[in-house]
Amino acid sequence: QVHLVQSGAEVKKPGSSVKVSCKASGGSFSNYAFSWVRQAPGQGLEWLGGIITILGTTSYAQKFQGRATITTDESTRTVYMELSSLRSEDTAVYYCARGIREVAVAVVWGQGTPVTVSS
Amino acid sequence: EIVLTQSPGTLSLSPGERASLSCRASQSVISNYLAWYQQKPGQAPRLLIYGTSSRAAGIPDRFSGSGSGTDFTLTISRLEPEDFAVYYCQQYGNSPGFGPGTKVDIK
Repeated sequence: QVHLVQSGAEVKKPGSSVKVSCKASGGSFSNYAFSWVRQAPGQGLEWLGGIITILGTTSYAQKFQGRATITTDESTRTVYMELSSLRSEDTAVYYCARGIREVAVAVVWGQGTPVTVSS
Repeated sequence: EIVLTQSPGTLSLSPGERASLSCRASQSVISNYLAWYQQKPGQAPRLLIYGTSSRAAGIPDRFSGSGSGTDFTLTISRLEPEDFAVYYCQQYGNSPGFGPGTKVDIK
C-alpha cells in the first residue's frame, strides 16, 4: 500500500520559487502517474500537472505551462513540483497524488503542503 | 480544454435521503475517464468513483456513479452522517480538470 509524504509548509516572497516534494513509501513507484493539485483557501481543486515515473513524461495545465516544473527521482522514490514567479494568488495547499498505473486518476493523496506567498 | 460544470452548487438533505449530484462536461470525456472525490474540511480529497462507475477500494456500495459522454451522475442511495461533505468530479483524460464542487449539507 503506497503512502505519500509531502514536505513541510513554505512561506515565500512574490517573484520567488517554491519546490515541494512528495516521497512514496510502500507500493509501486515506477511507471505510475503522479499528479499535483492545489486548493486555494475556501476554493475548489485545481490540477497543475503530472508526470509518469520512469518514462518522465510530463503534462501541465495550460495555465501553468512555463511556470510549473514536475520532476522525479527514482532512486529516492520522490516526485517534485517547482512553481516559479510566485504571486499572492498562488497561496494554497498543494497536494500530490498517485494514479492507477499511467492513468492520472488520483487514488492515493499526500497530506498537502501549505504554501503562503506574502511580502 | 474540457470545462466541467457541477449542479447543484449546494444540496441540503437529511440523513437517510437519496442524493443525486450532476457533472456536465463541455465536450465528451474520453474513455469515460470521469472520477468523483469527497472532501471534508481540513482533509485531502478521497477518491470515490473512477472510470465513471467503478468504486474505489473501501468505498461503501451506497455510492454509485453513472453516465457517459458529457453527462455524469454520482448517487448516494441513503445519506449517512459522514457523507455530508463537498464532492468534486474530475475528468482525467487529456489535460485533467475538476468541476467546481457540490456541497452536501444537513437540512
